[in-house]
Amino acid sequence: DAGVIQSPRHEVTEMGQEVTLRCKPISGHNSLFWYRQTMMRGLELLIYFNNNVPIDDSGMPEDRFSAKMPNASFSTLKIQPSEPRDSAVYFCASSYLLGGQSPLHFGNGTRLTVT
Amino acid sequence: AQSVTQPDIHITVSEGASLELRCNYSYGATPYLFWYVQSPGQGLQLLLKYFSGDTLVQGIKGFEAEFKRSQSSFNLRKPSVHWSDAAEYFCAVGEGTGGFKTIFGAGTRLFVKA
Repeated sequence: DAGVIQSPRHEVTEMGQEVTLRCKPISGHNSLFWYRQTMMRGLELLIYFNNNVPIDDSGMPEDRFSAKMPNASFSTLKIQPSEPRDSAVYFCASSYLLGGQSPLHFGNGTRLTVT
Repeated sequence: AQSVTQPDIHITVSEGASLELRCNYSYGATPYLFWYVQSPGQGLQLLLKYFSGDTLVQGIKGFEAEFKRSQSSFNLRKPSVHWSDAAEYFCAVGEGTGGFKTIFGAGTRLFVKA
């Protein structure tokens, strides 16, 4: 079990640039979640998918944020254009089932810095 | 709306001392409850979970937690802390019927002194 794999681990970009974060969930898991972690706001759920279909994107802060899951083994979170206030650690997590009872398995995160 | 409160932002304990981290939740039905741990530069790792049944649950690394419905609490405990336990700990509530989200508390950072 390789765990949830996120890339890159660190991303530094300039304001206005497009940023793409990548995630490979655990094989066999059918639900995928994107979280953002900051000191001020803690862990925020941005969006989650079930069987590759977006279920709830109400946590996505603005239209500049978008997420896709083209297949069961890959998801992206894109920010276009990026702004300094987007600086945070972005986590991807997957779970075996969609439901509050299913524990989440987290990747090691992508630390995004927007200058 | 459901919420999770961890009243302690940080706690310092001596190595070998006992530990209790507090967690209170607000949820209309019986919640699914979790504790996760996050080491620096890492993602969150599940320590233990409670769904139903015995209100005292055992987890990994010698941790346990007790569900108290009357107090809406799910406190995490460890009888003897090791220096490697220094990390941030998150309490979380999973939505039940009709919901799919996991809501996290703000976290408690644990410092262990020699």
